[in-house]
Amino acid sequence: EIVLTQSPATLSLSPGERATLSCRASQSVSSYLAWYQQKPGQAPRLLIYDASNRATGIPARFSGSGSGTDFTLTISSLEPEDFAVYYCQQRSNWPLFTFGGGTKVEIK
Amino acid sequence: EVQLVESGGGLVQPGGSLRLSCAASGFTFSSYEMNWVRQAPGKGLEWVSYISSSGSTIYYADSVKGRFTISRDNAKNSLYLQMNSLRAEDTAVYYCARVIPGRYSYPLDYWGQGTLVTVSS
Repeated sequence: EIVLTQSPATLSLSPGERATLSCRASQSVSSYLAWYQQKPGQAPRLLIYDASNRATGIPARFSGSGSGTDFTLTISSLEPEDFAVYYCQQRSNWPLFTFGGGTKVEIK
Repeated sequence: EVQLVESGGGLVQPGGSLRLSCAASGFTFSSYEMNWVRQAPGKGLEWVSYISSSGSTIYYADSVKGRFTISRDNAKNSLYLQMNSLRAEDTAVYYCARVIPGRYSYPLDYWGQGTLVTVSS
C-alpha cells in the first residue's frame, strides 16, 4: 500500500509570504498526484492534478511540482483566503486512492 | 452548474445499516467515474469507494470491503452507498466526488457538501 506523508503538519506564515508544502510517497506514483485545499466546514477543492497542472479557476500563485516520490505545492504569496488545510492524493493500482495526512497553513 | 447533493446520513446504532444517495445535476452523469470519500470528525480524508461510469468496475477501501456497496443509476443521475454492519469508526462526513476524465491522477474536481453519518448507541 502506498502511503503519502505530508510535511510539515502545520505551517505558520504571514500573508504575502511563500508557502512550501511537501508530500512524499512510500513508493513511486509517477506524476499521479493531486492537491486539494479544505477550509473548515467545506468540501475539499481541487487545486493541482497530475502533479503540476492547475485545475480550472485556480490562481497562478498555486503551483505544483515533483514526480516519483517527492512532490511540492507552492503558494507564491499567501492571500488571507489561502489559510486552510491542504491534502495530497495519489492514484495507483491498489489502493485506488490514498490521501496524505494534511498540512495546515495558519496565520502567524 | 455542476451540483452533487448527498442525503441519507444520520444517527445509527452499531451493526445497523444506512443508504447514502448523491444526486447529480449540471453534467452528463453517465460519462463520469464517481467516488465516495469520508472524513471523520477532526481527521483527514479517507477514500471509501470508486465506481466507473457504466458501473462495471468497482473498488473499495479495505476498511469497508464486504460491508459497503457502491452503485449508481445513470437514468436517475444518482450515486449510492449502501452501508451495512456499521461501526463506530465509520462515523464521518461522507462526500461524493466526480473524477475528471482522462487525467492520470484521477483528480476529484467536484464534491458534494457531505452528509454526516454517526454510529453510536
